[in-house]
Amino acid sequence: DVKVTQSSRYLVKRTGEKVFLECVQDMDHENMFWYRQDPGLGLRLIYFSYDVKMKEKGDIPEGYSVSREKKERFSLILESASTNQTSMYLCASSLVGLNTEAFFGQGTRLTVV
Amino acid sequence: DQQVKQNSPSLSVQEGRISILNCDYTNSMFDYFLWYKKYPAEGPTFLISISSIKDKNEDGRFTVFLNKSAKHLSLHIVPSQPGDSAVYFCAASASRPGTYKYIFGTGTRLKVLA
Repeated sequence: DVKVTQSSRYLVKRTGEKVFLECVQDMDHENMFWYRQDPGLGLRLIYFSYDVKMKEKGDIPEGYSVSREKKERFSLILESASTNQTSMYLCASSLVGLNTEAFFGQGTRLTVV
Repeated sequence: DQQVKQNSPSLSVQEGRISILNCDYTNSMFDYFLWYKKYPAEGPTFLISISSIKDKNEDGRFTVFLNKSAKHLSLHIVPSQPGDSAVYFCAASASRPGTYKYIFGTGTRLKVLA
């Protein structure tokens, strides 16, 4: 079974803090993704990576950066957390190729106060 | 611009009846479509998918239909069970190299009434 593990289930951070969300997958997947889920807005893509050290902006990259130094690990960084970044953050991974599905981690509920 | 749309935020269905969840897309480059199910405080889990070369795919109680000309897909759940109560997301991707991302809709909350 594919396993995508996010480092925290729940986080509470203060405004202005630098926040790191970590994600590890164990199936040697090339692609990794960070989404956020908000009520009424669905899952919105923040960043994705199709290889080590490669990254591409998704639909809402502002206020975020990412790091992929190893194939199995994809980190999302909130440079200076703000209250509008309170959300559920979801990491996913997938194989490269036709007709493959993404596998998700359990999510991190981040609250910025 | 929402490329994948789920226009019904919620749906209630009686146990044993059919649930039909709908999804529309605008980008004609999409050629692979997926449905995910999500419970609160958990990550989405993959349910079923369909390639654009097909118009129907079945897996047990779940069937996905694709109408490419209308850019519309639907998920049928028959018979619906209380455990199916969750938020359902449709997603789409394009198989061109370099565009491996998945674009999700806003979700439909399904409630199956016992």
